[in-house]
Amino acid sequence: TQLLEQSPQFLSIQEGENLTVYCNSSSVFSSLQWYRQEPGEGPVLLVTVVTGGEVKKLKRLTFQFGDARKDSSLHITAAQPGDTGLYLCAGRRNFNKFYFGSGTKLNVKP
Amino acid sequence: SAVISQKPSRDICQRGTSLTIQCQVDSQVTMMFWYRQQPGQSLTLIATANQGSEATYESGFVIDKFPISRPNLTFSTLTVSNMSPEDSSIYLCSADGAGKGQETQYFGPGTRLLVL
Repeated sequence: TQLLEQSPQFLSIQEGENLTVYCNSSSVFSSLQWYRQEPGEGPVLLVTVVTGGEVKKLKRLTFQFGDARKDSSLHITAAQPGDTGLYLCAGRRNFNKFYFGSGTKLNVKP
Repeated sequence: SAVISQKPSRDICQRGTSLTIQCQVDSQVTMMFWYRQQPGQSLTLIATANQGSEATYESGFVIDKFPISRPNLTFSTLTVSNMSPEDSSIYLCSADGAGKGQETQYFGPGTRLLVL
């Protein structure tokens, strides 16, 4: 079983639509990261959140860390084809290793 | 952010042989990690590479199969030993402690391995 569950697993939407990806756990994390990975490349860090309740915005992307630091969400406004990729959340516990979510494959159609 | 490079970027190997993957970071980092990933799927942690001591392996991964070296704070190697087709995968190294704070890890571009 995975410590971090991501949903949905797959998402195919039209350009201009909004979407939200969830990353949930029953465990507390000292921080949580979101990555985007494109085929043939390594994951690229989008954001790190460390404070419960924290909200960070990166252009059309909004990230939220749950108050209890057990979950997070990624919201994309007006999705574009360039947003297509594999989105991964990863949580860190006790300044040790990172635990990855199961991943969300996003396809934004023009 | 840290810049991480991996060599080789891809390789095709014969069953029973071994391949060593190198990971170089452009700055000193505290922790380095090795992951395995099937295309389009999430990452599975193989081990944490510890500088000056033996690597810490995750369940299902053993030192004889995946020996790891970390001679200094910027470099690590992962060897995939006695390869079989089941070892075909993408191998990624990552590092933390670089850039702002230690709550973030940065990834190399990955090594795509195909075992025939």
